[in-house]
Amino acid sequence: DAGVIQSPRHEVTEMGQEVTLRCKPISGHDYLFWYRQTMMRGLELLIYFNNNVPIDDSGMPEDRFSAKMPNASFSTLKIQPSEPRDSAVYFCASSMGGLNTEAFFGQGTRLTVV
Amino acid sequence: GDSVTQMEGPVTLSEEAFLTINCTYTATGYPSLFWYVQYPGEGLQLLLKATKADDKGSNKGFEATYRKETTSFHLEKGSVQVSDSAVYFCAQGRGSNYKLTFGKGTLLTVNP
Repeated sequence: DAGVIQSPRHEVTEMGQEVTLRCKPISGHDYLFWYRQTMMRGLELLIYFNNNVPIDDSGMPEDRFSAKMPNASFSTLKIQPSEPRDSAVYFCASSMGGLNTEAFFGQGTRLTVV
Repeated sequence: GDSVTQMEGPVTLSEEAFLTINCTYTATGYPSLFWYVQYPGEGLQLLLKATKADDKGSNKGFEATYRKETTSFHLEKGSVQVSDSAVYFCAQGRGSNYKLTFGKGTLLTVNP
């Protein structure tokens, strides 16, 4: 398996534009996580899915953020409209779930909103 | 709520020096504990883990022991290499959903 695949690797957009980040988890993994990494706040969990169903979205900063998982092999994180303070590295991770199982991370998408 | 506190960096060492990165946690119950490593431009990778008190996780010369009495999981390596330069994250996970709580990360730079 190629691991967790995220696209794009880098995204530069203007304030107010819609941004869509994509993730393909490892096949067979039941859990998918979206994290945001910034210098100020470190690594924050935004939302996670189990079997394509959103379980906990309490980390989503505001209504401008939304995430979907239409099937077991694809998820999106959308920001609309984007703001400069959304600039960060966004990571997707997947795991088989259950206690003690490892989370596998993608390489991340570096988002810059100007 | 659950939290993880790790020593703030950056940490700069010479090659072959001894490394310790402190990590403590707060949680109800007994979480599993992890160290993840992030090399420049990459995602996080699991370095080692421990699932119960007194367990020792080890990998690539790194070790950490789950200490329930001090709620700690300090990362150690006896002799660091330049290739160990990275950001190290301590994390805890609980429950069947395996939701991780991360520390803020510690940047390690090893000079030749």
